[in-house]
Formats: sequence, structure tokens, C-alpha cells
Amino acid sequence: QKEVEQDPGPLSVPEGAIVSLNCTYSNSAFQYFMWYRQYSRKGPELLMYTYSSGNKEDGRFTAQVDKSSKYISLFIRDSQPSDSATYLCAFNQGGKLIFGQGTELSVKP
Amino acid sequence: EAQVTQNPRYLITVTGKKLTVTCSQNMNHEYMSWYRQDPGLGLRQIYYSMNVEVTDKGDVPEGYKVSRKEKRNFPLILESPSPNQTSLYFCASIVQGVGTGTEAFFGQGTRLTVV
Repeated sequence: QKEVEQDPGPLSVPEGAIVSLNCTYSNSAFQYFMWYRQYSRKGPELLMYTYSSGNKEDGRFTAQVDKSSKYISLFIRDSQPSDSATYLCAFNQGGKLIFGQGTELSVKP
Repeated sequence: EAQVTQNPRYLITVTGKKLTVTCSQNMNHEYMSWYRQDPGLGLRQIYYSMNVEVTDKGDVPEGYKVSRKEKRNFPLILESPSPNQTSLYFCASIVQGVGTGTEAFFGQGTRLTVV
């Protein structure tokens, strides 16, 4: 079983839609839960992080963690064409970063 | 401006011809890492360094070497490249905050093709 599973997509939605991106993980030792965003021909950038179960909001973005189910999600409200990118979940174990495969998102005007 | 600079951005080379991809950061981070990104496999760690003169293997180190002679630079060396090393490579400078997790600052990437 892979340590992290993420649906690679691609995912195509109309502008204004609510987007849900998901990852499952198997390692209970993961301490921090992150989402990185990667635009085409660029390196990934940290979008959000959290370390506890529950929700964390930042503008149109909400990160959700369910430690009991080993499941994390990123919700994007009122999606915009500028949100078109690859989104990677990431986990921290003792300083080591482990990434999901990434989900390619396209938001159509 | 905080930056991680990789060079070159694009490289086509032939099998067996030694090459070096340079990486430099200006954030004074101790922790640096190299990743390769392949379709369907995501980002996989090649090597990392927690400080000067300290390097360790990641998940896919075969065929690669690194060195860390100074804090700001962390070059990736392919002594005898093979076609299965064709990939997109990223250098990252990483900070571990107290209560804020681990944040990686990535370079722009190096697209390597080995023919």
C-alpha cells in the first residue's frame, strides 16, 4: 500500500464551482498536513498547512483533516481560472516531506 | 527576495556524459533537498542535506551524487546519466518551524532529457 494516495485527475470544472481535492494516507506518524500548489513550469508553493483534525480556512480555501480516517481534503470555493494548477498534498514526518502524486485542476471561464 | 535558483532550466544530454545541476538559496536554511517529479509518481526525494558536509539518501538515490560544501549551494551530480533519469528535477530549501510544520521553497525546476 502506498503511503499517500491522491487522485491524479485531471479535474475540469466551470468557473465558480466548488472543488474538492482529496488524499488518503496510511502513516499515523504524520504530524503536519499541507497542500502545495504548482503552476505550469513552476516549482510547488505552500498553499496551506494544518496539524490537527478539523477545518482551517484561508479565503476561498479550506483544508480539512480527519486523522481517524487518515484523510485530508482541500476545498476551493468560487473557483477561478487562476486556480488552474496541480495541487499536491504533503505530509511531514520528523522533518521529511512526503508528497502525493498531485491532482491537475483546470477551471474553465 | 527569498529565492532558490537552479541551473540550467532545460538540458538535453547523451547517455554517460557527466552533468551537474546547480542549486543555490539565499535564505540561510540548513536543510536542502533534491526531488524528481515524474507523471503518476509525484515528487520523490533523491538526496537531502541537513547541514554543511551532511548528506543523506532519500527514496531514489541510485545514479545520483550530491555535495554540500557551503550552506547556500547543493549541487546534484549525475556521473553517468541514463535515459531513466529523464525527468523534471526540483531543488528545495526547507525550513522547519516550531508549530508551523515544514515549508519547502522550490526552485524553478530543471527539465532533463537523457538520450
